[in-house]
Amino acid sequence: SQQGEEDPQALSIQEGENATMNCSYKTSINNLQWYRQNSGRGLVHLILIRSNEREKHSGRLRVTLDTSKKSSSLLITASRAADTASYFCATDLNDYKLSFGAGTTVTVRA
Amino acid sequence: EPEVTQTPSHQVTQMGQEVILRCVPISNHLYFYWYRQILGQKVEFLVSFYNNEISEKSEIFDDQFSVERPDGSNFTLKIRSTKLEDSAMYFCATGHSYEQYFGPGTRLTVT
Repeated sequence: SQQGEEDPQALSIQEGENATMNCSYKTSINNLQWYRQNSGRGLVHLILIRSNEREKHSGRLRVTLDTSKKSSSLLITASRAADTASYFCATDLNDYKLSFGAGTTVTVRA
Repeated sequence: EPEVTQTPSHQVTQMGQEVILRCVPISNHLYFYWYRQILGQKVEFLVSFYNNEISEKSEIFDDQFSVERPDGSNFTLKIRSTKLEDSAMYFCATGHSYEQYFGPGTRLTVT
């Protein structure tokens, strides 16, 4: 069954603006992770938030988790051209597999 | 910073041929995974491996697929008889707890 689903599918912003994307999931989770993928490349781990956490920061990234709504958001502040990529949330039901959403494609215009 | 590496970066093979994709995990990681991403689609879980055995596998991971750690370091994915629909990016991931770190992927093209 599908788990993480990102919204919006695509986002275009000006350099310096903030980018916000959301992820919804269906079943209870242990953790939720966000990954970045540059076109044709591998997945880069950005941040993990545990089910008992509500907010987490890492540099210009801020992740929130609302387990009652089964949703998470990723905020990238002061975006740069290098932030242009696809962003995926991934949920895990156990230690053994991640379930990915379809991703949000972010384009940062110079 | 330690990284997961994968070889080859691109493999072209004919339908029906066997392919072996290789991954070198981060050294202290105990959990190993293979995922695939068909062009334009989601990343899909294939299999997880812990303590020298498969922990979980998806419905995609049928009898044509196998995994092993032949020398205690490399982690391999073998596809015995490739089909056109096996064309995808294959990602290895490794972890020691909840976080999974992905390699750059192998692009497999089956012709």
